[in-house]
Amino acid sequence: GDSVTQMEGPVTLSEEAFLTINCTYTATGYPSLFWYVQYPGEGLQLLLKATKADDKGSNKGFEATYRKETTSFHLEKGSVQVSDSAVYFCALSDRRAGTASKLTFGTGTRLQVTL
Amino acid sequence: KAGVTQTPRYLIKTRGQQVTLSCSPISGHRSVSWYQQTPGQGLQFLFEYFSETQRNKGNFPGRFSGRQFSNSRSEMNVSTLELGDSALYLCASSLASDYNEQFFGPGTRLTVL
Repeated sequence: GDSVTQMEGPVTLSEEAFLTINCTYTATGYPSLFWYVQYPGEGLQLLLKATKADDKGSNKGFEATYRKETTSFHLEKGSVQVSDSAVYFCALSDRRAGTASKLTFGTGTRLQVTL
Repeated sequence: KAGVTQTPRYLIKTRGQQVTLSCSPISGHRSVSWYQQTPGQGLQFLFEYFSETQRNKGNFPGRFSGRQFSNSRSEMNVSTLELGDSALYLCASSLASDYNEQFFGPGTRLTVL
Protein backbone atom coordinates (compact mmCIF):
# COMPACT_ATOMS: atom_id res chain seq x y z
CA GLY A 1 0.00 0.00 0.00
CA ASP A 2 0.87 3.67 -0.08
CA SER A 3 3.29 4.98 2.52
CA VAL A 4 5.17 8.14 3.47
CA THR A 5 8.51 8.29 5.25
CA GLN A 6 9.80 11.50 6.74
CA MET A 7 12.82 12.31 8.81
CA GLU A 8 12.77 11.81 12.53
CA GLY A 9 12.65 14.84 14.73
CA PRO A 10 12.94 16.92 16.61
CA VAL A 11 14.78 19.37 14.43
CA THR A 12 16.20 22.29 16.37
CA LEU A 13 17.37 25.36 14.47
CA SER A 14 18.35 28.89 15.26
CA GLU A 15 16.24 31.68 13.84
CA GLU A 16 17.16 32.54 10.21
CA ALA A 17 18.71 29.11 9.61
CA PHE A 18 17.90 27.05 6.51
CA LEU A 19 15.36 24.27 6.92
CA THR A 20 15.07 20.96 5.12
CA ILE A 21 12.68 18.21 6.17
CA ASN A 22 13.01 15.10 4.04
CA CYS A 23 9.99 13.20 2.78
CA THR A 24 9.87 10.16 0.48
CA TYR A 25 6.85 8.20 -0.60
CA THR A 26 5.73 4.88 -2.03
CA ALA A 27 2.61 4.80 -4.15
CA THR A 28 1.35 2.57 -6.94
CA GLY A 29 -0.86 5.20 -8.56
CA TYR A 30 -0.48 8.89 -9.29
CA PRO A 31 -0.32 10.62 -5.92
CA SER A 32 -0.82 14.21 -5.02
CA LEU A 33 1.60 15.33 -2.31
CA PHE A 34 1.06 17.65 0.61
CA TRP A 35 2.72 19.26 3.56
CA TYR A 36 0.54 19.99 6.57
CA VAL A 37 1.54 21.88 9.72
CA GLN A 38 0.15 21.39 13.21
CA TYR A 39 0.61 24.02 15.89
CA PRO A 40 0.20 23.02 19.56
CA GLY A 41 -3.39 22.30 20.47
CA GLU A 42 -4.67 22.78 16.94
CA GLY A 43 -5.71 20.74 13.95
CA LEU A 44 -3.79 20.45 10.70
CA GLN A 45 -3.31 23.31 8.28
CA LEU A 46 -2.46 22.73 4.64
CA LEU A 47 0.91 24.37 4.02
CA LEU A 48 1.45 23.51 0.35
CA LYS A 49 0.68 20.89 -2.25
CA ALA A 50 1.78 19.52 -5.62
CA THR A 51 -0.39 17.39 -7.85
CA LYS A 52 2.01 16.14 -10.52
CA ALA A 53 5.68 15.48 -11.17
CA ASP A 54 7.97 18.55 -11.21
CA ASP A 55 5.30 20.76 -9.67
CA LYS A 56 6.61 23.10 -6.97
CA GLY A 57 4.32 23.99 -4.10
CA SER A 58 5.06 27.12 -2.15
CA ASN A 59 3.52 29.12 0.68
CA LYS A 60 4.75 31.45 3.43
CA GLY A 61 8.37 31.00 2.33
CA PHE A 62 8.15 27.21 2.36
CA GLU A 63 8.74 25.23 -0.83
CA ALA A 64 8.66 21.61 -1.94
CA THR A 65 9.15 20.06 -5.36
CA TYR A 66 7.45 16.85 -6.48
CA ARG A 67 10.32 14.61 -7.65
CA LYS A 68 8.97 11.47 -9.26
CA GLU A 69 12.40 10.06 -10.12
CA THR A 70 13.43 10.06 -6.47
CA THR A 71 9.88 9.71 -5.07
CA SER A 72 10.54 12.68 -2.82
CA PHE A 73 8.85 15.88 -1.67
CA HIS A 74 11.31 17.58 0.64
CA LEU A 75 10.20 20.70 2.51
CA GLU A 76 12.56 23.71 2.52
CA LYS A 77 12.60 27.22 3.88
CA GLY A 78 15.45 29.64 3.49
CA SER A 79 15.13 31.45 6.83
CA VAL A 80 13.03 30.03 9.66
CA GLN A 81 11.36 32.08 12.37
CA VAL A 82 10.42 31.20 15.93
CA SER A 83 6.78 31.23 14.79
CA ASP A 84 7.52 28.29 12.46
CA SER A 85 7.92 25.98 15.47
CA ALA A 86 5.36 23.25 14.94
CA VAL A 87 4.98 19.66 13.74
CA TYR A 88 5.17 19.16 9.99
CA PHE A 89 3.47 16.24 8.24
CA CYS A 90 4.11 15.01 4.73
CA ALA A 91 1.11 13.29 3.16
CA LEU A 92 -0.16 11.82 -0.09
CA SER A 93 -3.43 10.92 -1.68
CA ASP A 94 -4.00 8.94 -4.85
CA ARG A 95 -6.63 10.64 -6.92
CA ARG A 96 -6.75 8.05 -9.69
CA ALA A 97 -7.41 5.25 -7.27
CA GLY A 98 -10.70 6.87 -6.32
CA THR A 99 -9.45 7.56 -2.86
CA ALA A 100 -8.60 11.24 -3.22
CA SER A 101 -9.96 12.03 0.20
CA LYS A 102 -7.87 9.38 1.94
CA LEU A 103 -4.67 10.99 3.09
CA THR A 104 -1.71 8.82 4.07
CA PHE A 105 0.55 10.67 6.47
CA GLY A 106 4.15 10.44 7.54
CA THR A 107 4.98 10.30 11.23
CA GLY A 108 5.54 14.03 11.52
CA THR A 109 8.67 16.06 12.22
CA ARG A 110 8.76 18.45 15.14
CA LEU A 111 10.58 21.70 14.39
CA GLN A 112 11.79 23.93 17.19
CA VAL A 113 13.27 27.30 16.31
CA THR A 114 15.20 29.21 18.94
CA LEU A 115 16.37 32.81 19.11
CA LYS B 1 -16.14 31.84 5.89
CA ALA B 2 -16.27 29.67 8.99
CA GLY B 3 -13.88 26.77 9.17
CA VAL B 4 -14.49 23.17 10.15
CA THR B 5 -15.94 22.92 13.63
CA GLN B 6 -15.85 19.93 15.92
CA THR B 7 -17.72 19.33 19.14
CA PRO B 8 -16.96 18.67 21.84
CA ARG B 9 -13.32 19.69 22.01
CA TYR B 10 -12.56 17.49 24.99
CA LEU B 11 -14.21 14.33 26.26
CA ILE B 12 -13.49 11.90 29.06
CA LYS B 13 -15.12 8.48 29.06
CA THR B 14 -14.57 5.15 30.78
CA ARG B 15 -13.94 1.77 29.22
CA GLY B 16 -17.01 0.11 27.80
CA GLN B 17 -18.90 3.33 27.21
CA GLN B 18 -19.74 4.71 23.81
CA VAL B 19 -19.13 8.18 22.44
CA THR B 20 -20.39 10.36 19.59
CA LEU B 21 -18.32 13.12 18.04
CA SER B 22 -19.68 15.79 15.73
CA CYS B 23 -18.21 17.65 12.79
CA SER B 24 -19.61 20.56 10.80
CA PRO B 25 -17.80 21.08 7.49
CA ILE B 26 -17.06 24.34 5.74
CA SER B 27 -20.18 25.68 4.07
CA GLY B 28 -20.52 24.16 0.61
CA HIS B 29 -18.20 21.24 1.32
CA ARG B 30 -19.88 17.89 0.81
CA SER B 31 -17.12 15.46 1.75
CA VAL B 32 -16.15 14.77 5.34
CA SER B 33 -13.27 12.54 6.42
CA TRP B 34 -12.25 11.41 9.88
CA TYR B 35 -8.77 10.67 11.18
CA GLN B 36 -7.40 9.34 14.43
CA GLN B 37 -4.15 10.79 15.77
CA THR B 38 -2.16 8.99 18.48
CA PRO B 39 1.48 9.25 19.55
CA GLY B 40 2.07 5.60 18.71
CA GLN B 41 0.24 5.19 15.39
CA GLY B 42 0.32 8.74 14.12
CA LEU B 43 -2.46 9.95 11.83
CA GLN B 44 -4.70 7.23 10.48
CA PHE B 45 -7.67 7.49 8.14
CA LEU B 46 -10.94 6.25 9.59
CA PHE B 47 -13.55 6.87 6.89
CA GLU B 48 -14.97 9.36 4.43
CA TYR B 49 -18.55 10.36 3.77
CA PHE B 50 -19.95 12.08 0.73
CA SER B 51 -23.62 12.77 0.06
CA GLU B 52 -24.59 10.75 3.13
CA THR B 53 -22.74 7.66 1.85
CA GLN B 54 -19.55 6.14 3.14
CA ARG B 55 -17.10 6.30 0.24
CA ASN B 56 -13.88 5.06 1.79
CA LYS B 57 -12.96 3.20 4.94
CA GLY B 58 -9.70 2.69 6.80
CA ASN B 59 -8.56 -0.34 8.77
CA PHE B 60 -10.46 0.13 11.99
CA PRO B 61 -12.76 -2.33 13.79
CA GLY B 62 -16.51 -2.15 13.44
CA ARG B 63 -16.75 -0.35 16.80
CA PHE B 64 -15.93 2.76 14.82
CA SER B 65 -18.80 3.99 12.72
CA GLY B 66 -20.05 7.21 11.25
CA ARG B 67 -22.79 8.89 9.34
CA GLN B 68 -23.46 12.03 7.40
CA PHE B 69 -26.59 14.09 7.33
CA SER B 70 -28.24 15.90 4.43
CA ASN B 71 -26.63 19.19 5.49
CA SER B 72 -23.20 17.47 5.24
CA ARG B 73 -22.64 17.49 8.99
CA SER B 74 -21.10 14.24 10.16
CA GLU B 75 -20.91 12.24 13.34
CA MET B 76 -18.65 9.41 14.30
CA ASN B 77 -19.43 6.91 17.01
CA VAL B 78 -17.16 4.63 18.94
CA SER B 79 -18.81 1.85 20.92
CA THR B 80 -17.38 -0.26 23.75
CA LEU B 81 -14.51 2.12 24.31
CA GLU B 82 -11.04 0.75 24.99
CA LEU B 83 -8.07 2.51 26.57
CA GLY B 84 -6.35 2.48 23.18
CA ASP B 85 -9.11 4.64 21.71
CA SER B 86 -7.71 7.63 23.57
CA ALA B 87 -6.68 9.97 20.79
CA LEU B 88 -7.24 13.23 18.99
CA TYR B 89 -10.00 12.72 16.43
CA LEU B 90 -9.74 15.06 13.48
CA CYS B 91 -12.39 15.84 10.95
CA ALA B 92 -11.59 17.26 7.52
CA SER B 93 -13.86 18.58 4.82
CA SER B 94 -13.42 19.08 1.10
CA LEU B 95 -15.58 20.27 -1.76
CA ALA B 96 -16.17 16.84 -3.21
CA SER B 97 -15.06 13.28 -2.86
CA ASP B 98 -12.61 13.48 -5.76
CA TYR B 99 -11.17 16.81 -4.66
CA ASN B 100 -8.20 16.14 -2.50
CA GLU B 101 -7.57 19.48 -0.79
CA GLN B 102 -8.87 18.96 2.71
CA PHE B 103 -9.40 21.43 5.52
CA PHE B 104 -9.11 20.19 9.08
CA GLY B 105 -10.96 21.09 12.23
CA PRO B 106 -9.29 21.54 15.63
CA GLY B 107 -10.10 18.01 16.72
CA THR B 108 -11.81 16.33 19.65
CA ARG B 109 -9.48 15.05 22.36
CA LEU B 110 -10.94 11.78 23.71
CA THR B 111 -9.54 10.30 26.89
CA VAL B 112 -10.66 6.82 27.92
CA LEU B 113 -10.10 5.90 31.58
